[in-house]
Amino acid sequence: GAVVSQHPSRVICKSGTSVKIECRSLDFQATTMFWYRQFPKQSLMLMATSNEGSKATYEQGVEKDKFLINHASLTLSTLTVTSAHPEDSSFYICSARPTDRNTIYFGEGSWLTVV
Amino acid sequence: QQQVKQSPQSLIVQKGGISIINCAYENTAFDYFPWYQQFPGKGPALLIAIRPDVSEKKEGRFTISFNKSAKQFSLHIMDSQPGDSATYFCAARANYGGSQGNLIFGKGTKLSVKP
Repeated sequence: GAVVSQHPSRVICKSGTSVKIECRSLDFQATTMFWYRQFPKQSLMLMATSNEGSKATYEQGVEKDKFLINHASLTLSTLTVTSAHPEDSSFYICSARPTDRNTIYFGEGSWLTVV
Repeated sequence: QQQVKQSPQSLIVQKGGISIINCAYENTAFDYFPWYQQFPGKGPALLIAIRPDVSEKKEGRFTISFNKSAKQFSLHIMDSQPGDSATYFCAARANYGGSQGNLIFGKGTKLSVKP
């Protein structure tokens, strides 16, 4: 099956700093990638949809200046959490949809802890 | 309102039994219904998916039953094994207008299969 890789899988950062999470589709091109946030024992919450070469579409209530998304190529999207605070600590997951298929594949997720 | 309602929230099944998880949706424009399996600390993995022109799809021990008129679909896990213990999410894809094909998730069902 198609592989979506996220990096890093775990990251700890200090309050006030920024951290970048990468999402790569390893064996397919993805025009569209999605970023989710998941709290313990809860479902996935869509944060934003990113399209290659254009600005991301953010869901209501998600701060676009805090969660910067860049989809620079058909295989890479990045999420940067700026000026991180402890409440930003969460499990962040990306997914990608191949350009030639309707299936959506998920990455392994990235644990962010802000101390 | 885009919603996918999933039940039960948790499920305990004996080894060898049948696990059944149900989902209902509201939007008739949904055109793709996947099920994802998620183990603790990992990203969701696509398990099986169905389109509304099919009433049932089977892959190994996993079967999706789809009732278009009732706007319901369910996951059946036959011969449930302890290794199936995970959280299962149903989802529906909105592939119209400006939705860009993002998935709408149910709240998840935590399945525990007892040996």
